[in-house]
Amino acid sequence: AQKVTQAQTEISVVEKEDVTLDCVYETRDTTYYLFWYKQPPSGELVFLIRRNSFDEQNEISGRYSWNFQKSTSSFNFTITASQVVDSAVYFCALSETGGYQKVTFGIGTKLQVIP
Amino acid sequence: KAGVTQTPRYLIKTRGQQVTLSCSPISGHRSVSWYQQTPGQGLQFLFEYFSETQRNKGNFPGRFSGRQFSNSRSEMNVSTLELGDSALYLCASSARLAGGLDTQYFGPGTRLTVL
Repeated sequence: AQKVTQAQTEISVVEKEDVTLDCVYETRDTTYYLFWYKQPPSGELVFLIRRNSFDEQNEISGRYSWNFQKSTSSFNFTITASQVVDSAVYFCALSETGGYQKVTFGIGTKLQVIP
Repeated sequence: KAGVTQTPRYLIKTRGQQVTLSCSPISGHRSVSWYQQTPGQGLQFLFEYFSETQRNKGNFPGRFSGRQFSNSRSEMNVSTLELGDSALYLCASSARLAGGLDTQYFGPGTRLTVL
């Protein structure tokens, strides 16, 4: 069975600080996909990134970066120079079948960026 | 390009009734996924449709069903509603491009309250 653990339920940072959201996953498959989603207070989910298990390269997109380490089964998400608009709940997710099918989500980390 | 639309946005039903929720994907997208979000269980995958075929279903009872039409619009139905079905139901669409997967786009959700 697959499992996603987001140990940090709530994080508060002051604007412009860097923050890392942790994600640890469990799966028996050698092929799988990992995701991060953002859910702002408006409630609409926003897809941020998809990474397959064969691609361990870290990725950077503007102020966002992701660190994928198979050795520790982690897929951590870092926001650099946080902004108030980053305040949201962030979900890490895992799919063993590939793509968006049968995705298992973590419980989410609520990030509050204080101005 | 219009986004993913879901109707209705809010719905109040009583136990035992049935409900149908609708999702119109982004034009050209053939994959539609449904998710349930509750405070207790978090985000859970319901099912995914591609070209009118259900590709996968999450761990939900048979009271939860869905379908996809030839224009890619999708509906999900919940029969014999229970209090625990109160949730935000999210729909997402993606293009499912050959050789890879397109970004997933979410609708605003339908908030169902069962009294």
